[in-house]
Amino acid sequence: DAGVTQSPTHLIKTRGQHVTLRCSPISGHKSVSWYQQVLGQGPQFIFQYYEKEERGRGNFPDRFSARQFPNYSSELNVNALLLGDSALYLCASSLAGGIYEQYFGPGTRLTVT
Amino acid sequence: RKEVEQDPGPFNVPEGATVAFNCTYSNSASQSFFWYRQDCRKEPKLLMSVYSSGNEDGRFTAQLNRASQYISLLIRDSKLSDSATYLCVVTDTGFQKLVFGTGTRLLVSP
Repeated sequence: DAGVTQSPTHLIKTRGQHVTLRCSPISGHKSVSWYQQVLGQGPQFIFQYYEKEERGRGNFPDRFSARQFPNYSSELNVNALLLGDSALYLCASSLAGGIYEQYFGPGTRLTVT
Repeated sequence: RKEVEQDPGPFNVPEGATVAFNCTYSNSASQSFFWYRQDCRKEPKLLMSVYSSGNEDGRFTAQLNRASQYISLLIRDSKLSDSATYLCVVTDTGFQKLVFGTGTRLLVSP
């Protein structure tokens, strides 16, 4: 079975631009979470979606938004990019969110110049 | 104070050694606990869940002490392939997110 997939793999953007990252969860999983990992740190929680509804939001500015589609795939959008947004963006899928184990995709490495 | 604290290392050990990682968490209401492994520039991968009774998976043993808010991971007979960063993870009280430590880097040498 396919694991969590994310696209694109790498991305280079300029300050002030907008970016959309995509994630497809493991088949049968209905929850998707997004994390940001800056070099040298552990991943930081951004959003969790379950059954197309936002179930949790981390301490990130409103420039970050996300949504989940009927097929349970998800998009993370970041507006007005800042240099500090450069990071590995990870998507994690789980059966139903909450205490269920989460499985991570390979991530999208975003560089903002 | 960070929600999850780990010694960043690196821990340099020879093959065959036993190594232990420790982690403390600040939220006494945390309910679920995990160790993830992350290779350089790769995604975190679930190594094992951690239960109050302790659990073992081959060469890996995890322990949880709720009273001390302390989690440990013991790796016996270290292999070169064990070289990675080990992330201590707890869930928040609402179970909505994973809270990660900064990770402990392990380097196993021949």
